[in-house]
Amino acid sequence: QGHLVQSGSELKKPGASVKVSCKTSGYVFSTYAIHWVRQAPGQGLEWMGWINTKTGNPTYAPGFSGRFVFSLDTSVTTAHLQISSLKADDTAVYYCARVDSPYHYYAMDVWGQGTTISVSS
Amino acid sequence: DIVMTQSPDSLAVSLGERATINCKSSQSVYNSENYLAWYQQKPGQSPRLLIYWASTRQSGVPQRFSGSGSGTDFTLTISSLQAEDVAVYYCQQYYITPWTFGQGTKVEIK
Repeated sequence: QGHLVQSGSELKKPGASVKVSCKTSGYVFSTYAIHWVRQAPGQGLEWMGWINTKTGNPTYAPGFSGRFVFSLDTSVTTAHLQISSLKADDTAVYYCARVDSPYHYYAMDVWGQGTTISVSS
Repeated sequence: DIVMTQSPDSLAVSLGERATINCKSSQSVYNSENYLAWYQQKPGQSPRLLIYWASTRQSGVPQRFSGSGSGTDFTLTISSLQAEDVAVYYCQQYYITPWTFGQGTKVEIK
């Protein structure tokens, strides 16, 4: 059926980096893409981009290139989101979600529980 | 980018009554299918996929949830509101990147 489990909450200082993991299970890792979605406190959902789990090729939404990096560790069927040079407005819940194809566009059918990243001095 | 606009921003409906949420996209999301999904997010929880291809109910979603529409105008209907349906509902297009969400509609009990 599929299950995504994310790493725990993090409190970071401005300028630091953070890496969020999204451990997948219950399905063939390379047959589903992994997407990332951000939700700032009290706000709506914002699509950050996705990574092709067959090729490892990432695609970033405008505003999420440069400091944001999607990666994979296929040996443990895990996707990662790394954010560098953290700013206060990176404070948000970050979700991973899967899509039923590494190439085609479908809805996000299974979501991780979310990882809260708080950035404060 | 495709802009998704939901209406209303919030609504209060009596238990057992119908709730209707509208979603309009700034350009058509149709190409053989309507690349439009609806998600439910309860407080403190992750979003949950309810509807995809504008009108196909995800496995396990109660039949009181239905989606309709095509092209640029879509509707999510909860036919008989239950207490557990209190949530924020989002439409989302997956037609072209960047994928975009509506701003959300908060559904409460009157």
